[in-house]
Amino acid sequence: EAQVTQNPRYLITVTGKKLTVTCSQNMNHEYMSWYRQDPGLGLRQIYYSMNVEVTDKGDVPEGYKVSRKEKRNFPLILESPSPNQTSLYFCASSFDILGGSGELFFGEGSRLTVL
Amino acid sequence: KQEVTQIPAALSVPEGENLVLNCSFTDSAIYNLQWFRQDPGKGLTSLLLIQSSQREQTSGRLNASLDKSSGRSTLYIAASQPGDSATYLCAVRRYGNTGKLIFGQGTTLQVKP
Repeated sequence: EAQVTQNPRYLITVTGKKLTVTCSQNMNHEYMSWYRQDPGLGLRQIYYSMNVEVTDKGDVPEGYKVSRKEKRNFPLILESPSPNQTSLYFCASSFDILGGSGELFFGEGSRLTVL
Repeated sequence: KQEVTQIPAALSVPEGENLVLNCSFTDSAIYNLQWFRQDPGKGLTSLLLIQSSQREQTSGRLNASLDKSSGRSTLYIAASQPGDSATYLCAVRRYGNTGKLIFGQGTTLQVKP
C-alpha cells in the first residue's frame, strides 16, 4: 500500500531534550516536506526537499533541522525543543511536479507536546 | 507574497444540498492547486488536483474549478451527505518555486442528517 509513515504519532517531551520525528514514503517520490498545524494559524511549511541532499527552508524553519540522505526518508529534528513547538506535525511527499502531477500525499500526523 | 483565503470558515447545511466552497489566491502565477479533506485529528486526504493549464477536475460528487485570472478555485459538492462533514483545505504551488506550498485556513463543513 502506498503511504507516508510518520513516527512517533504521539510524543510528550520536556524542553531541551533532542528529538527526531521520522518520515518515510514508499512511493519513490522525489519531493518531501514538513508542516506544522496550529489552531488559528493553519498549516505552515517548515522545510522541504526536492530530492536527495537537496533541502530548503519553508516559512517557519526556526528551531528545526532536516536531512535527506535517502530518497524515502526525511526526518525532522528538534535539537532543543521549546513549548512553542508544541503542535501537530505532518510529513508529505509527491513526485517532482516537472516529471509528474505533483499530487501531495500526507502522513497521519505526529502530535508533539513540549513541557 | 502569495496568500490563500478560504471563505467561509465554517458552513452548516442540511443533507442533500449542493454546496460550493471557495478558495482565493492573490498571485495567479501558480503551478497547481490541490483540494484536501481533513477529519478531526487526522491527516489530509487528497481530493482533487488541478494543474494551472486546466479549468476543472471531477471525482464522483466533487468538482473543482480553477480560474487563474481571477485568483479563484471552487469545490462543488453535489448531494451532500453527513459523511462529507470535515474540514476542506486548498493549497497552491507557486510557479517558479515549486517546493513551496501555501495553504488556506480551511472551511469546516457540517452536513446535518
